[in-house]
Amino acid sequence: EVQLVESGGGFIQPGRSLRLSCAVSGLTFDDYAMHWVRQAPGKGLEWVSTISYNSGNIDYADSVKGRFTISRDNAKNSLYLQMNSLRVEDTALYYCVKDTAPSILHAHSSGSSFDSWGQGTLVTVSS
Amino acid sequence: DIQLTQSPSSLSASVGDRLTITCQASQDISNYLNWYQQKPGKAPKLLIYDASSLETGVPSRFSGSRSGTDFIFTISSLQPEDIATYYCQQYHNIPPITFGGGTKVEIK
Repeated sequence: EVQLVESGGGFIQPGRSLRLSCAVSGLTFDDYAMHWVRQAPGKGLEWVSTISYNSGNIDYADSVKGRFTISRDNAKNSLYLQMNSLRVEDTALYYCVKDTAPSILHAHSSGSSFDSWGQGTLVTVSS
Repeated sequence: DIQLTQSPSSLSASVGDRLTITCQASQDISNYLNWYQQKPGKAPKLLIYDASSLETGVPSRFSGSRSGTDFIFTISSLQPEDIATYYCQQYHNIPPITFGGGTKVEIK
């Protein structure tokens, strides 16, 4: 059974930093791209960032570019999101998500969909 | 960036009803569109990928189709457990990956 378990969320003041983690089990982690997707309270889904299977391709939404850094440790089957200079508008439930493709560069040739999601970790940014 | 416009934003239907949700893309995205179901308090779940392919284990009352830049999601016979918000998502022109605004489905 595939499991994605996020941790690291919490209540934090604007301008501070937070690091999210996602522990993945039940699959060959280093075969797949991974993503962070967030959902502000009562709002829709927003893609945040992606990292390819070998960390060779990384992308961010414009809303977080330059502030957030995605990374992965394939030896530990883990995904991370370093969030710096947090803003009130970053308040959201952050989901760790597995892609069916190894990289978004392969999305068209191999197909791409988000077939496994964690339960989410809540980040609240407020003074 | 490709915009996905879902309609309606919410709907109320009776058990057994057939319902459809539309996701209109701002440009041609071929079949690079997926549909997700998010039940209250839960993470989203993949239902349909590549516009019309049913994810393994998903009931056959769920289906998807495409007409140009319009994508249609259908529940052939609404069940009480289908109460959820449904989202479309494109991966044609990425990044960014984008989602539609969601359609909340309620029981009458």
